[in-house]
Amino acid sequence: NAGVTQTPKFQVLKTGQSMTLQCAQDMNHEYMSWYRQDPGMGLRLIHYSVGAGITDQGEVPNGYNVSRSTTEDFPLRLLSAAPSQTSVYFCATNDRGGNTEAFFGQGTRLTVV
Amino acid sequence: GENVEQHPSTLSVQEGDSAVIKCTYSDSASNYFPWYKQELGKRPQLIIDIRSNVGEKKDQRIAVTLNKTAKHFSLHITETQPEDSAVYFCAADNTGNQFYFGTGTSLTVIP
Repeated sequence: NAGVTQTPKFQVLKTGQSMTLQCAQDMNHEYMSWYRQDPGMGLRLIHYSVGAGITDQGEVPNGYNVSRSTTEDFPLRLLSAAPSQTSVYFCATNDRGGNTEAFFGQGTRLTVV
Repeated sequence: GENVEQHPSTLSVQEGDSAVIKCTYSDSASNYFPWYKQELGKRPQLIIDIRSNVGEKKDQRIAVTLNKTAKHFSLHITETQPEDSAVYFCAADNTGNQFYFGTGTSLTVIP
């Protein structure tokens, strides 16, 4: 089992460009989420999903969109990248919700210039 | 929402000594408190967790304590080893849907 797979691992964008960060899991977990990690700020939740067809906002949702059409995939879209979105992005899955261990992907390092 | 504060931000200990990292939370409804270890350039990985109906949990050299009245919980690492060097994050979950993370503690174990 691969667990949680994120692509790409690294990305450089120009301000105003759009892109999609991919996240796929083969753990059959219902719950998936996206975090961003910035120096000195820990991990902050962007969006999460408790199952296919259901998404909700976390702490820092502005500038990001998500959708959940299947259990396995949870892509994160940046519609118009800004330098403030330079960060490391982690996708995570939980079984049955937040009161259980979160399994993280390997991360995507995004730089917006 | 929930607010989690973590201290210290950096910690250096001699190999074999103990390390303690402390977190406080604001929402009394929080009932799940995991600790994650993140090595440089790697993903966070769970090392131990505790639920609000338990005061202490231990796993070999790692232990976590929870004081619900004071709203704080702590990570204790005994007999530290160089491979314990990493960034440690605490978190609290108050809704069953999302974690609120502390800002991290960079632990360095000096051989």
